[in-house]
Amino acid sequence: GAVVSQHPSRVICKSGTSVKIECRSLDFQATTMFWYRQFPKQSLMLMATSNEGSKATYEQGVEKDKFLINHASLTLSTLTVTSAHPEDSSFYICSGRAGLGNLGEQFFGPGTRLTVL
Amino acid sequence: QKEVEQNSGPLSVPEGAIASLNCTYSDRGSQSFFWYRQYSGKSPELIMFIYSNGDKEDGRFTAQLNKASQYVSLLIRDSQPSDSATYLCAVNSRSGYSTLTFGKGTMLLVSP
Repeated sequence: GAVVSQHPSRVICKSGTSVKIECRSLDFQATTMFWYRQFPKQSLMLMATSNEGSKATYEQGVEKDKFLINHASLTLSTLTVTSAHPEDSSFYICSGRAGLGNLGEQFFGPGTRLTVL
Repeated sequence: QKEVEQNSGPLSVPEGAIASLNCTYSDRGSQSFFWYRQYSGKSPELIMFIYSNGDKEDGRFTAQLNKASQYVSLLIRDSQPSDSATYLCAVNSRSGYSTLTFGKGTMLLVSP
């Protein structure tokens, strides 16, 4: 399968700081990237979908001004958690999908575990 | 609202047995179906996908799809302790950017 990397894998920060997470597709061009959040023992929750060069589409209840997404190239998307608070502590996972149409599978990055103190 | 339902488990099977994981979905127009495996603390990894009614086999894994019943399953033959994980069923949405709708997952425990 295709490879997606994420950096950093783990971050601990103080409340009020901003955290940037990078997601890269290493061996394919991800025309669409997805950002998910997963709390302990919970299911994956889609936060937003972004296409390269376009504004992200956020799911209902996700604050677009708090979770800034940039998909500047076909291999890189970033998620910035602005003014993070303890309730933002979670496992953030990106995925990439190559090509167009409705049949493409998503390949997940290894995830970033965010802990806000 | 599109839904994907899975029994949360845990499903416990002895080593060497067949594990059967089931999933139902609500959107009759869904076209592609995926099974992901997620180990604790890790991100999901794709195991199989299926588009057509019937069975699709890949090694010890067999995916089964019945669109009329809106049902998809994953069979794991000769289960191993290393198969112990949460298995996520994902269904493709027809709308918008073709996001996947995930079930909450079934935890599988394979005992030695």
